[in-house]
Amino acid sequence: GDSVTQMEGPVTLSEEAFLTINCTYTATGYPSLFWYVQYPGEGLQLLLKATKADDKGSNKGFEATYRKETTSFHLEKGSVQVSDSAVYFCALSEFTSNTGKLIFGQGTTLQVKP
Amino acid sequence: DAGVTQSPTHLIKTRGQQVTLRCSPISGHKSVSWYQQVLGQGPQFIFQYYEKEERGRGNFPDRFSARQFPNYSSELNVNALLLGDSALYLCASSTGTGEAFFGQGTRLTVV
Repeated sequence: GDSVTQMEGPVTLSEEAFLTINCTYTATGYPSLFWYVQYPGEGLQLLLKATKADDKGSNKGFEATYRKETTSFHLEKGSVQVSDSAVYFCALSEFTSNTGKLIFGQGTTLQVKP
Repeated sequence: DAGVTQSPTHLIKTRGQQVTLRCSPISGHKSVSWYQQVLGQGPQFIFQYYEKEERGRGNFPDRFSARQFPNYSSELNVNALLLGDSALYLCASSTGTGEAFFGQGTRLTVV
């Protein structure tokens, strides 16, 4: 079945450092891809999305490009802030089921130090 | 506009008991999905309901059930609670297959 694999965390960076969180997927067909963020004690917030190959999703300085050839959707940010500390989840929406079901990776914790 | 609201926010139950969690979707959204997030893991899909009908079900035992009401709100029921059911239960609403908006979740602790 479809699956998502993220790099293990925690990822610890200093403020203004460059961020990359790797995400690869296995899927039938052409899923939509998402990055969600979860702040402590809260639910999930959609950070960005891409619905087809070569699409680039972007929001709040974060970017990710849908790479069909490498089945990847890596999250990047040029300069992280302390306020970016959170858990980041890569997810895909099953193409075949028509349920809108999301399949999530295990999450990557980001800690940004001043 | 109100987002997805879930109640209660926290709950403690004893093994073997039954629990009901509630979710109100964003106004205009007809689809509600439920996810279980065990500590340290990503959310796992439990159910999706659309227009009061079950559209999808994840790999969860029959102890888990749900329903959707005419106003599109939803309840998730779990019977015969096990310690392993302790988790954050997330509700998400959408227009159908569009973007999913998540609530803050219900933290269930089974003791």
